[in-house]
Amino acid sequence: GAGVSQSPRYKVAKRGQDVALRCDPISGHVSLFWYQQALGQGPEFLTYFQNEAQLDKSGLPSDRFFAERPEGSVSTLKIQRTQQEDSAVYLCASSPARDHTDTQYFGPGTRLTVL
Amino acid sequence: SQQGEEDPQALSIQEGENATMNCSYKTSINNLQWYRQNSGRGLVHLILIRSNEREKHSGRLRVTLDTSKKSSSLLITASRAADTASYFCATRPSYNTDKLIFGTGTRLQVFP
Repeated sequence: GAGVSQSPRYKVAKRGQDVALRCDPISGHVSLFWYQQALGQGPEFLTYFQNEAQLDKSGLPSDRFFAERPEGSVSTLKIQRTQQEDSAVYLCASSPARDHTDTQYFGPGTRLTVL
Repeated sequence: SQQGEEDPQALSIQEGENATMNCSYKTSINNLQWYRQNSGRGLVHLILIRSNEREKHSGRLRVTLDTSKKSSSLLITASRAADTASYFCATRPSYNTDKLIFGTGTRLQVFP
């Protein structure tokens, strides 16, 4: 079946622009996660949802970052007034249910470059 | 940063050799997972070991966990060129959260 998909795959933004990154999780997956991966580093947690509820947003670096999942499926990560330090790969992952042994299935990521 | 650390940062070996990567973490955990990431692609889950387990096998993979030292190792036996990738450990903290905390990764290069 289809895996997690993300769009766009690549995004170039001028400093100060707003961007929106989309994640389509695996159908039926309850949990959805966003991570930020800087070049040469491991992914860092941003936020996660269980259905439409945002249960943890402790990793969002500033109030310029906002995520939503209004109908409990597709999610959007929005970054307002982008800065150069926002350049990174943004990874989305989903998992079937709230279970500590659940695997997270990752999408290919969106590579954001802020000029 | 909450990230754990992995060593070595980079490892180059010949096909057929074994590769060992180590991971250290900071918090009490519920489980520890290993992921592989090929260049320019998303992460692929390899194996999960629970906090009450000490060793786990899956095919050519062997994972050990020492919770007293807050460390884990991943052994890939009889490596292949297709194993070339970055490998990350990720911990699920034992406090009430579903997030994963990733290590800094080991870049493995397997030469044919």
